[in-house]
Amino acid sequence: GQQVMQIPQYQHVQEGEDFTTYCNSSTTLSNIQWYKQRPGGHPVFLIQLVKSGEVKKQKRLTFQFGEAKKNSSLHITATQTTDVGTYFCAGGEYGNKLVFGAGTILRVKS
Amino acid sequence: DARVTQTPRHKVTEMGQEVTMRCQPILGHNTVFWYRQTMMQGLELLAYFRNRAPLDDSGMPKDRFSAEMPDATLATLKIQPSEPRDSAVYFCASGLVGAGVSTDTQYFGPGTRLTVL
Repeated sequence: GQQVMQIPQYQHVQEGEDFTTYCNSSTTLSNIQWYKQRPGGHPVFLIQLVKSGEVKKQKRLTFQFGEAKKNSSLHITATQTTDVGTYFCAGGEYGNKLVFGAGTILRVKS
Repeated sequence: DARVTQTPRHKVTEMGQEVTMRCQPILGHNTVFWYRQTMMQGLELLAYFRNRAPLDDSGMPKDRFSAEMPDATLATLKIQPSEPRDSAVYFCASGLVGAGVSTDTQYFGPGTRLTVL
């Protein structure tokens, strides 16, 4: 079945440093979504990418969807303590179940 | 501010007891998902429903778990009998899929933290 791999598993950065998490799917995806889960909280939707090569930005966050629609990345510029949490990618076919990656835990040292 | 609600938020029970978790999806959403989250396994999809009909429950241990949607405003996940390995956070999520909807965002509830002793 479809698998979504996410790396790194864990990253600890100094406040102000950049952070990137990568997501790879074993199959071609129709879309990929990104979620953020704060410690003790629940996953919260950040964004959905649909088009091959698509790039979207939300303030300091930049999301990319690969040309082959099998990989994606999330890049945070100049991390802040509010960025702490676990970032999940989730891929799948539109309207059907999503397969979540294992998540990348981000810790930010001030 | 529409939200998915889940009850109870916390549940501690003894092995062998029945556990029922409830979820109220966002009004108007037609898809409901049940997930289990543990440190070891991450976020696992247990089952999901569309328009109250089960579409996939392949992630759910059939011998002890059951999921239902008695009506459009209530989804339940039941474990009978519970075992210590069922200890986890169980999330319900809802979404809207259909004509004119451009994303299939899932909105997660706060979760039920289950501890089976």
